[in-house]
Amino acid sequence: QSALTQPASVSGSPGQSITISCTGTSSDVGGYNYVSWYQQHPGKAPKLMIYDVSKRPSGVSNRFSGSKSGNTASLTISGLQAEDEADYYCCSYAGSRVFGGGTKLTVL
Amino acid sequence: QVQLQESGPGLVKPSGTLSLTCAVSGGSISSSNWWSWVRQPPGKGLEWIGEIYHSGSTNYNPSLKSRVTISVDKSKNQFSLKLSSVTAADTAVYYCARVWSAAWGPFDPWGQGTLVTVSS
Repeated sequence: QSALTQPASVSGSPGQSITISCTGTSSDVGGYNYVSWYQQHPGKAPKLMIYDVSKRPSGVSNRFSGSKSGNTASLTISGLQAEDEADYYCCSYAGSRVFGGGTKLTVL
Repeated sequence: QVQLQESGPGLVKPSGTLSLTCAVSGGSISSSNWWSWVRQPPGKGLEWIGEIYHSGSTNYNPSLKSRVTISVDKSKNQFSLKLSSVTAADTAVYYCARVWSAAWGPFDPWGQGTLVTVSS
């Protein structure tokens, strides 16, 4: 299966909100509510931020939220902070699993 | 709190077999979870390799299936990855992770990752 499509980069100023999209097909993102999002700082392991499209694990800030419309899932980060600067990856069930190509978030 | 730790050779020769182990601590590998391997080539994105249940049931990435074997050792509370016929394209940081919450659920937590370089 093909990787999910994410923008290569997004940026925002502290305090602003940004949204990262993750576009797939009806065979993955659009067909199941098994979309998760991961944050990865340089040299570190990924960290789960959102699962099942919009659920937030215990300990993850409520500034992070997820949603889905059709074949596109989205991660929104509100009240941007410097520590949010990282790479973000979406992942979907697709009969197996498929990741997005990743999005580099820069906090200006 | 479950923790995972990858181990294995950091250098593998082309055409050889990559072998890694993931030790699980703070919980039992026989719990109701699947256990997964994910890799990340230097400077690139994440790629799912496959996962295993303690019963031995497996799911593999179709693009790697012919070269991948994932196994579980309940006596040692660990699971392993073997990737055969490796090339430079298999050079990556390899992560193990627990599949949390349900089958096909999210990956949480992750191990710290181990870099495997394929080179002669």
